[in-house]
Amino acid sequence: NAGVTQTPKFQVLKTGQSMTLQCAQDMNHEYMSWYRQDPGMGLRLIHYSVGAGITDQGEVPNGYNVSRSTTEDFPLRLLSAAPSQTSVYFCASSNPTNTEAFFGQGTRLTVV
Amino acid sequence: KQEVTQIPAALSVPEGENLVLNCSFTDSAIYNLQWFRQDPGKGLTSLLLIQSSQREQTSGRLNASLDKSSGRSTLYIAASQPGDSATYLCAVNGNTPLVFGKGTRLSVIA
Repeated sequence: NAGVTQTPKFQVLKTGQSMTLQCAQDMNHEYMSWYRQDPGMGLRLIHYSVGAGITDQGEVPNGYNVSRSTTEDFPLRLLSAAPSQTSVYFCASSNPTNTEAFFGQGTRLTVV
Repeated sequence: KQEVTQIPAALSVPEGENLVLNCSFTDSAIYNLQWFRQDPGKGLTSLLLIQSSQREQTSGRLNASLDKSSGRSTLYIAASQPGDSATYLCAVNGNTPLVFGKGTRLSVIA
C-alpha cells in the first residue's frame, strides 16, 4: 500500500516553463488536495477535488491548473512558472468528513 | 473563513519536561482536527486525529484534546525527548479541505 505518491521530489524550472506535478493515491479516497508550503506562511490550499470530474479553487489558485479524470490521480499544472511559485508542494487525500488525511512526501520546486 | 492559530510559534524545553502546544480555530463547524509532525525538509506525519464528537485522543506520550465549542485544541507531550524536536502542525477539517495553522517549532534540549 503506497499511500500518496508525488513525483518528482525535486525540480528546477526556468521562468516561463510549464510542468506538471504528479499525485497518485491508492486508497480509493474521494478527496484530493494540493498545498504549497512557504516559510512563515504555513500550508496554503491551491486546488482541491471532491471526486472525479469535480475540482475547486483554494486560497492561492492563480497560476495553477488541475483536473481529476480518475479517482487515483490529481495532477497540478504550472502553466508559466514564475519565481513566486518556488515552494514545496504537498498533495493530500482523504475521504469525506471524519477520516484522516494522508500526505505525499512533497515536491521541492525552484523557479529561476 | 476558517483561520487556525498556533501558539507559541517556537518553544525550547529541556529534556524530560512535559509541554503543551496550543491550537485555536475560528469556525467551530468542523468534522475533525488533526495534529501533524514535520521534520526539517520532510513531509507531514499524522500524529492524532480527533473527531468532532470526541474530547481527546491519546497515542503513547501524546495526548490531544478538543473543545469544539470554544474553538481550541491542545497537544500534550509527556516526558519530552530530543527526538521530539520538530514542527507540530494543527489542521481542521470542515466544509473545505484541511486548514492549517503555521505550526509550533519545538526544540528539546538534551
